[in-house]
Amino acid sequence: DAKTTQPNSMESNEEEPVHLPCNHSTISGTDYIHWYRQLPSQGPEYVIHGLTSNVNNRMASLAIAEDRKSSTLILHRATLRDAAVYYCILRDVMNYGGSQGNLIFGKGTKLSVKP
Amino acid sequence: EAGVTQFPSHSVIEKGQTVTLRCDPISGHDNLYWYRRVMGKEIKFLLHFVKESKQDESGMPNNRFLAERTGGTYSTLKVQPAELEDSGVYFCASSQGGYVGTQYFGPGTRLTVL
Repeated sequence: DAKTTQPNSMESNEEEPVHLPCNHSTISGTDYIHWYRQLPSQGPEYVIHGLTSNVNNRMASLAIAEDRKSSTLILHRATLRDAAVYYCILRDVMNYGGSQGNLIFGKGTKLSVKP
Repeated sequence: EAGVTQFPSHSVIEKGQTVTLRCDPISGHDNLYWYRRVMGKEIKFLLHFVKESKQDESGMPNNRFLAERTGGTYSTLKVQPAELEDSGVYFCASSQGGYVGTQYFGPGTRLTVL
C-alpha cells in the first residue's frame, strides 16, 4: 500500500470547521482513501472513505483532489469529542497478496479541540 | 448490535509467563484482524483470519505468538513466554466479507509485561 503524509498535530476551536490534510503522491488508480480516528483509550474507528469523488456522511466529508494525490478530511463543526488521532490510509482493492485486508497505520494527525 | 469485544481490558504479567487475549468479533463477520501498538510506535498489523483460516500472518513478530480462531467465531492470541517488548495495546477488528470492508475495532487489551 502507498504511503501517506499527514501533519503531526492540529488545533481547532470548538464549533469551528476543521480541515485535516493528507498527501498521497504515489497513490495508484486502485487505491481507496480511508480515514480512521482513534479517540483516547479506544480502538480506532472508521470515519469515511472514497475513491475519486468527494464523499459525505454523518461524521465528516472527504474532499479528494482531482489528481488524487491529496485529500482533506473535513469536520464541519468540531466538538470536544472529535479530539483524536486521525489516520489517512490507502487500501488497494487489487492487492490480494500477503497484506490483503489489513490497515497500515502511520503516525496520523493528533487533533486538539479547544472549548 | 454488539460491537467487537476484547478480554481482558488489562493484563499485567511477569516476563516468562503466558497470557491469552480473547476477541469476540461482530456476529457474522468473517474477517478478523489482530493489531498492536507497542510503546511510542504506530499501530501494526499482526494477522488476519477469514473464518477459521489464517489468511495472512505476516505481521506476527515471532513464534512466541499463537493465534487461533476455532469455528470461525471468537479468536485468541496467546503469548508464550511473554517478553518485556510485548507490552502494548492489542486491538482486534472485524469486518464483513470483501477486501475494503470497514473494520470495526474493539477497545483493546493493554498488556504490561514486568
